[in-house]
Amino acid sequence: ETGVTQTPRHLVMGMTNKKSLKCEQHLGHNAMYWYKQSAKKPLELMFVYNFKEQTENNSVPSRFSPECPNSSHLFLHLHTLQPEDSALYLCASSQDTGGSGRGTGELFFGEGSRLTVL
Amino acid sequence: GQQVMQIPQYQHVQEGEDFTTYCNSSTTLSNIQWYKQRPGGHPVFLIQLVKSGEVKKQKRLTFQFGEAKKNSSLHITATQTTDVGTYFCAAEAGNNRKLIWGLGTSLAVNP
Repeated sequence: ETGVTQTPRHLVMGMTNKKSLKCEQHLGHNAMYWYKQSAKKPLELMFVYNFKEQTENNSVPSRFSPECPNSSHLFLHLHTLQPEDSALYLCASSQDTGGSGRGTGELFFGEGSRLTVL
Repeated sequence: GQQVMQIPQYQHVQEGEDFTTYCNSSTTLSNIQWYKQRPGGHPVFLIQLVKSGEVKKQKRLTFQFGEAKKNSSLHITATQTTDVGTYFCAAEAGNNRKLIWGLGTSLAVNP
């Protein structure tokens, strides 16, 4: 139990489907993140929300659309994905994104959503 | 862009042997974190190092941050099968609070 819950754990979708990944954190954190983990690549930061405001969009294609209705919930809406988008999508949270020389601090990850695009 | 080089990429050891993974950067780092990801699992935070030359220990794990704050290492003494997984470093540099991740070192332990 990490305090960060992701659903679904596994998802298979066609390139024309629309689906959403959900993340919920029970840690009282103010920052939430979406990461993409692919084989033989470093963890790729996709989006960052701090106090519900998007503070980072790491040049992510528009077929990925994040939504953060409150500090505890984060969604990743998916549509017209490509097979190369197949990966493990990890949600994470932290107290906040840091400031005044203080780093981001510890990230708490969810168990991930394994996405396969056919 | 900024990169953190992590070596080795893979390491096989016999149970009881020691293991070390290294992270190197060409730029000065503000801090560095270490995470462990078990096979099929998610990254779990191990530690954060902030000070130049800092050394921290957690049971059989020893973490070091270089004097120049450009490199770090994780050393495991007398590995056990429970140490199996991929160890990642993630660092922040300057005022950029974006974590830069290494590729990870995958550790296999033969019983």
